[in-house]
Amino acid sequence: ETGVTQTPRHLVMGMTNKKSLKCEQHLGHNAMYWYKQSAKKPLELMFVYNFKEQTENNSVPSRFSPECPNSSHLFLHLHTLQPEDSALYLCASSQEGQGGNEQYFGPGTRLTVT
Amino acid sequence: GNSVTQMEGPVTLSEEAFLTINCTYTATGYPSLFWYVQYPGEGLQLLLKATKADDKGSNKGFEATYRKETTSFHLEKGSVQVSDSAVYFCAPNAALIFGKGTTLSVSS
Repeated sequence: ETGVTQTPRHLVMGMTNKKSLKCEQHLGHNAMYWYKQSAKKPLELMFVYNFKEQTENNSVPSRFSPECPNSSHLFLHLHTLQPEDSALYLCASSQEGQGGNEQYFGPGTRLTVT
Repeated sequence: GNSVTQMEGPVTLSEEAFLTINCTYTATGYPSLFWYVQYPGEGLQLLLKATKADDKGSNKGFEATYRKETTSFHLEKGSVQVSDSAVYFCAPNAALIFGKGTTLSVSS
């Protein structure tokens, strides 16, 4: 595996379910990110982890709970979601501290909340 | 605060036409500047970048020049192809914000 992988690629869940999204990066980076991409809205940054420490939480509802057990893995735990949470959830990684800091994105998880 | 203003789409062009997608930004200091591209069903991928004023980033025939005086980073391509159909995002570094995205559709 290379780059940034995300599982599952598609997820359908009811509002009372609990599920988790998984992201793994194979690039040796030290920062990881969760983004939400909804139709006709800008890409929204949700969470940032630098060296496994959460450094950014952009007023995300508590029904979204991130977890970063090590610098290669990032999870997004979901519970009691709303239909408006349906979106493409993108994970990204980067190497902080180097010039440029370009991000590498996974293919995303398409989430549908019914 | 930091912000990005990107040309609204969709942009519809015929093959071999000239492309410009405008991007202006506000940011603290002089960030690196990026263009990302998202093909259907995929995540974003870096298209090109520029790290300082007057730098020109280029890749796959696309170019963008870091204009400090106008805080702009417009994306251009001289002759687009059908395979360039995608959504393009402008992003200044460090602010971790992206433009709204411009959808480009190229027909043969």
